[in-house]
Formats: sequence, structure tokens, C-alpha cells
Amino acid sequence: DADVTQTPRNRITKTGKRIMLECSQTKGHDRMYWYRQDPGLGLRLIYYSFDVKDINKGEISDGYSVSRQAQAKFSLSLESAIPNQTALYFCATSDTRTYQETQYFGPGTRLLVL
Amino acid sequence: KQEVTQIPAALSVPEGENLVLNCSFTDSAIYNLQWFRQDPGKGLTSLLLIQSSQREQTSGRLNASLDKSSGRSTLYIAASQPGDSATYLCAVSGGSYIPTFGRGTSLIVHP
Repeated sequence: DADVTQTPRNRITKTGKRIMLECSQTKGHDRMYWYRQDPGLGLRLIYYSFDVKDINKGEISDGYSVSRQAQAKFSLSLESAIPNQTALYFCATSDTRTYQETQYFGPGTRLLVL
Repeated sequence: KQEVTQIPAALSVPEGENLVLNCSFTDSAIYNLQWFRQDPGKGLTSLLLIQSSQREQTSGRLNASLDKSSGRSTLYIAASQPGDSATYLCAVSGGSYIPTFGRGTSLIVHP
């Protein structure tokens, strides 16, 4: 089984709809992150969480919200989806205990907003 | 604000060549630098991580170097193979441990 899983893997939605992307990890890591990837723009950080009670905005948090339900679960919501939120979304984790802070990525969710 | 640049943006080489991918960053006060591989439509896989106190790391045919003072890192791939075809991303983390990613180098190794 994959260490970092994302659901759904693909999603098509309409403008104005609320949707949730979910991320779960079995690595026991304390830190979790949400990124979006757009062609030509690389990866940009949306939100990150250093533990269950610590949630921080990233570079591009407008239009998004998150919830850290447990150490292993970190959800990203689009309150009212718009077409320019069409992108590939990645969840990632890292572990402060290892000192190195290597990031481990999920397989991604491909989102299309019509 | 940290900025990370990767050159070239795309590279096509014949199988067997040794090649170098470049990454430069604007703020030398870094905690670590990571190189990732991304296959089309897939997630990122960490290849190598270099701590700020280190000069290089090696894994198999891959060698990554770090020169903090000049704001540069290189990823050296020896004896390239078609299976090495992917996008390679560099990410730099500062004191907040939040990485800033470059846009990647798209590599094609043709037989």
C-alpha cells in the first residue's frame, strides 16, 4: 500500500461547486502540505500543517481552506470552485524527527473545473 | 523571497551520455536542497537530499553537489538510460523548512 494516498485521483466539477480533496498517510509524519502544479509554473504551496493544531497559509491560499482531522489526515477544500483552479494537486508529508525533512508526495489529484 | 531557477528547461540526449542538470537559488541561507524526479502525471519521488553543511550526495548513478556560497547545485547523471526520462525538480528549504521548487528540467533519453 502507498504511504501517502490521495482521493479522488481525478475530479471534474462545475464552477461554484464546493469540493474536498483528501490526503491520508501511514508514515507517521507530523508535517503535511498541499501543493498545486500548473504547466510552466512549477509547484506552489497552498497550505501546510506542522501538527494537528498548527495550520499555516502558503503562497496561494486564497480560495482554499484545509482541515487537519488527525495526524494522518489533511483535507483541502475549494469553497466555490473556479476554472483557474484547474490543476494537479499534490499532498506531501515530512518528518521533523529525521532532521533531514525529506518530503514524500502522494500520487496527485487531477482537478478540472468547468 | 527565495527564487529557484533550473537550467535547461528541457534536454534531449542519446542513451549513454553523462549529463548535468543545474539549479540556482537566490538566498544562500538554506537548510537543505532536494532533487526530485517526476514521471508524467505522477507524484514526485525524492532522489537526493543535501543538508546545508554537506557538499554532495550520491545514489547509484546520481550525484548531487551543493555550493551554498554561489547559490548553485548540480545533479549529475552518469551513463543515462531511457528509463531516466522524466522531469527533475530542485527544491530549496530555508529556516522555516518550507521548500521552494524550481520549474524543473524535462529530460528525454532516447535509445
